[in-house]
Amino acid sequence: QQPVQSPQAVILREGEDAVINCSSSKALYSVHWYRQKHGEAPVFLMILLKGGEQKGHEKISASFNEKKQQSSLYLTASQLSYSGTYFCGTEQAGTALIFGKGTTLSVSS
Amino acid sequence: NAGVTQTPKFQVLKTGQSMTLQCAQDMNHEYMSWYRQDPGMGLRLIHYSVGAGITDQGEVPNGYNVSRSTTEDFPLRLLSAAPSQTSVYFCASIGTSQHSYNEQFFGPGTRLTVL
Repeated sequence: QQPVQSPQAVILREGEDAVINCSSSKALYSVHWYRQKHGEAPVFLMILLKGGEQKGHEKISASFNEKKQQSSLYLTASQLSYSGTYFCGTEQAGTALIFGKGTTLSVSS
Repeated sequence: NAGVTQTPKFQVLKTGQSMTLQCAQDMNHEYMSWYRQDPGMGLRLIHYSVGAGITDQGEVPNGYNVSRSTTEDFPLRLLSAAPSQTSVYFCASIGTSQHSYNEQFFGPGTRLTVL
């Protein structure tokens, strides 16, 4: 079952902050976050594992509440390059990633 | 490493035609998946494989077949194309180990139009 992302869209000015949420009705093993630019493939941002371990390539923070089956992605001091569509992917035991419908982030100067 | 490669990049089919979308990875990853992306729907899982010889259905498997005869290749077959299968198709692979989970790598995508 697809995780639910909120909000659907966010409009920011450079330097502003945003939070993108992801929730699932099923118990999760991990949550993955990806960003996709128009016409390109999704690019990995971060993995949050059950037990608190995080692994990411960028200065973007996130949280994972296992009991509530929720994750949040925190984008601080946004830059123009942060624009794109953000997807959370949830992993249950033994299955592939199931992605949400995405949150579109637009950052303007 | 080339990562995940997909061919073709673009394809136009007529209703009822069949075709195979190719996907290959050179990272020795066990997990491979196929997704389709439609406006407003996000990435929806079609089929996935946890290793050579093992495949399973995802969220939207109808109209698609897969096989995994080698670790490297995971082709997606459209048996009888329908206009509803017009979409962008992404193949992805992910490596796992006993001690850590790795990121999922996506291929560049195949844009398919069915007339």
